[in-house]
This record gives sequence, C-alpha cells and structure tokens, in this order.
Amino acid sequence: LAKTTQPISMDSYEGQEVNITCSHNNIATNDYITWYQQFPSQGPRFIIQGYKTKVTNEVASLFIPADRKSSTLSLPRVSLSDTAVYYCLVTSGSARQLTFGSGTQLTVLP
Amino acid sequence: GAVVSQHPSWVICKSGTSVKIECRSLDFQATTMFWYRQFPKQSLMLMATSNEGSKATYEQGVEKDKFLINHASLTLSTLTVTSAHPEDSSFYICSARRGVWRGSSYNEQFFGPGTRLTVL
Repeated sequence: LAKTTQPISMDSYEGQEVNITCSHNNIATNDYITWYQQFPSQGPRFIIQGYKTKVTNEVASLFIPADRKSSTLSLPRVSLSDTAVYYCLVTSGSARQLTFGSGTQLTVLP
Repeated sequence: GAVVSQHPSWVICKSGTSVKIECRSLDFQATTMFWYRQFPKQSLMLMATSNEGSKATYEQGVEKDKFLINHASLTLSTLTVTSAHPEDSSFYICSARRGVWRGSSYNEQFFGPGTRLTVL
C-alpha cells in the first residue's frame, strides 16, 4: 500500500477556503485516493474519493494532478464545525483494508 | 443508507472482566467488517479483519486470544476484550465493507460511531 504524507496540522479562519495536500509517491495504477473526516470520539466519515483530475461533491473538491503522486482536498468556505482531523488514504480495489496515516488536524478559528 | 452502529457507545469496567462490543450494518449486508483501535491523539490502527462465517484475520501484534472476534451474520460482528486491563482502554471503531462495487468506489467502507472503553 502506498504511504501517504500530509501536514500534521493547519489553521484557518471561518469563511476561507482550505486546501490540504497529501503526497503519495508510490501510488499504484489501480489505486484511488480517498479522504475521511473524523471528529473527536466519532468514527471517520467519508468525504470524497477520486482517481484523477478533479472530483467535486456537495462538501469538497479533490484535485489530482496527472502524475497522481499527490492530491489536494479543498474545503470551500470552512466553518467552525469543520474543525476535525482529515485523513488521506490510498485505497486499492484489490486490498481489503484501509490504512490510516497520521492525518491533518484542521482548526478553524472565528 | 449505509449506516453502521456500535453498542455500547461507552463502557467502564473493572480490570479482569470481559467486555463485548457489537457492530451492526443496519441497511446493507457487510461481507467484511474491520475493527480498529485508536488511542488519544493517534490515528486509527487496524486490529483485525472479520469475514462472515470464517475466522478473523488479526494484524501483527494483536493477540487473537485477548480480542475475540465473531462475525455470525452479514450484519453483525462482535469484539470481545477478554480479561481487560487499563492498557486496553481505548476507542474501538468498527467499519463494514459493502459487498457490491458501486461506480468508482472501490473498497467502500462505512464506519461506526466508536465505543469508548475505560478499564479501571
């Protein structure tokens, strides 16, 4: 499984756009990039998944360059309730389990 | 859809007792369920993979005789922490993998809300 590297923490202010970048240099051809959000004392929640270029849903966008060695999760106009840990995972269709890295603690300030 | 529940949400027990945690997929059949453990300020660590009707597969360093896993049906897996000790105090999270590949979502897993175990 490809190892992921992401910043340990980030601070932002309400209303700003937040971009969290994750590097995954050893990503394999069949791997997808998946992001989860976790609030304290809760299970992780799926945010978005992508393979290449750009994916957008109602909560976030995911940008993946052509070489797929990194990805950027973009959260538009964050609010205080977006304060959480965000995990970037490389997920393989052939592998059954998920491997969580250290995650990024996002703190949104008023 | 795709809701996973855990029971109990928290439990406090005395050292030496056993504790059972249930994980249920409420609206889908889960061919595989996973159990994770998370210590404060740390990431999730996979403990074991549970397949319906067969023995669980444990990750290296996880004692299978201490953490008993039973996956009796496609919607229920249980984790029993036997002879619990204070060092077993942690946040235990299960996830369930839906059996059908939907669109581009490989390895689609849904997580339960977690169970906080405190061993005195």
